[in-house]
Amino acid sequence: DVKVTQSSRYLVKRTGEKVFLECVQDMDHENMFWYRQDPGLGLRLIYFSYDVKMKEKGDIPEGYSVSREKKERFSLILESASTNQTSMYLCASSGALASGNTIYFGEGSWLTVV
Amino acid sequence: RKEVEQDPGPFNVPEGATVAFNCTYSNSASQSFFWYRQDCRKEPKLLMSVYSSGNEDGRFTAQLNRASQYISLLIRDSKLSDSATYLCVVIYNNNDMRFGAGTRLTVKP
Repeated sequence: DVKVTQSSRYLVKRTGEKVFLECVQDMDHENMFWYRQDPGLGLRLIYFSYDVKMKEKGDIPEGYSVSREKKERFSLILESASTNQTSMYLCASSGALASGNTIYFGEGSWLTVV
Repeated sequence: RKEVEQDPGPFNVPEGATVAFNCTYSNSASQSFFWYRQDCRKEPKLLMSVYSSGNEDGRFTAQLNRASQYISLLIRDSKLSDSATYLCVVIYNNNDMRFGAGTRLTVKP
């Protein structure tokens, strides 16, 4: 069974803390994505990566960075957490999208910044 | 204008009803399309792909209209378990995809 695993499901962090969200996929996918989802706003792309050590900004990269040192792992980093980064964070992975490959999501990481 | 737009709903329908959602997209170069289902506080999961010729999976029918740049999802004989948010996804190229904000459906007894 295919799997995208987000290791931290629920986190509470203080303003200014550095936060790491880890995502691992076991499908040898080239593409990995980080989204945040907020009520009424849908899924918003933060960063994506189409290969090891490659990264591209999405629509809302400010306040975030990412790391992809290995193909299976894509990490999202909040350098200095702020209350407006309280959200659900979803990691996704896929093969080449234009070939009709399915996008698989992790279960989500619920982050509260106080 | 958003690249992918959906009516947010909510759609409240009785069991057994037929309900349809539309999703419009702005980029005519879009290559492929999907419908995803998302339950409350869960991750989105693939419901079905959308093909140019239209496709059916049980009570669900998906259609694509390239000329008018929209896709649709029809659910027949709605069940309580169909209550969820339905997201349309538009693929532009190998690593660029856009999600609609989702349409919320509640099926009531």
